[in-house]
Amino acid sequence: DIQLTQSPSFLSASVGDRVTITCRASQGISSYLAWYQQKPGKAPKLLIYAASTLQSGVPSRFSGSGSGTEFTLTISSLQPEDFATYYCQQLNSYPPVFGPGTKVDIK
Amino acid sequence: QLQLQESGPGLVKPSETLSLTCTVSGGSISSSSYYWGWIRQPPGKGLEWIGSIYYSGSTYYNPSLKSRVTISVDTSKNQFSLKLSSVTAADTAVYYCARRTGDRVETYYYYYMDVWGKGTTVTVSS
Repeated sequence: DIQLTQSPSFLSASVGDRVTITCRASQGISSYLAWYQQKPGKAPKLLIYAASTLQSGVPSRFSGSGSGTEFTLTISSLQPEDFATYYCQQLNSYPPVFGPGTKVDIK
Repeated sequence: QLQLQESGPGLVKPSETLSLTCTVSGGSISSSSYYWGWIRQPPGKGLEWIGSIYYSGSTYYNPSLKSRVTISVDTSKNQFSLKLSSVTAADTAVYYCARRTGDRVETYYYYYMDVWGKGTTVTVSS
């Protein structure tokens, strides 16, 4: 099975900051990677698929990049509603595992 | 607008079978474009994919749970279901159902889970 790691596990940031989260796969997954945002008590929300394609309705301050084994999610200017936990997921092969998550907290 | 809703007992005894149903509304479960999946999240932990099913009944399961999991579909009711046998406290979690779909980007077709239910909490305890 493909394993995903995320760094950092926890990130403290301020409104307006540029934030970058990294997801690494144990083997190449081309661009078969999605990013999700989850707020406490809520279901995950799809942000990005195909590593860099923004889901409809997601603000343009979110962007994704990478291919192969290393991927990044960037929030260009952190907004109050962006404080949440972010997960990557590989969909290159079964099982479509999730990364362990990165919690973005208020500094 | 497509909506998914999980339902089932919130409390299950150890060694028994957890049974949940996901009802799809606002669209057909029988579309050839979609797989339907179950994901769970133990308290304070990350997301774990459990398995997926196609409307024809074709399934994929997480190898770590495969011996205990059965996912089925009832197209007449627009529902799919999860059964997890021999549960222990480690199976206590919020269980989500979700739709897997895909999109063509340049040359390739990429998958993602775009519609999720709100989740249902299942506690395993005597």
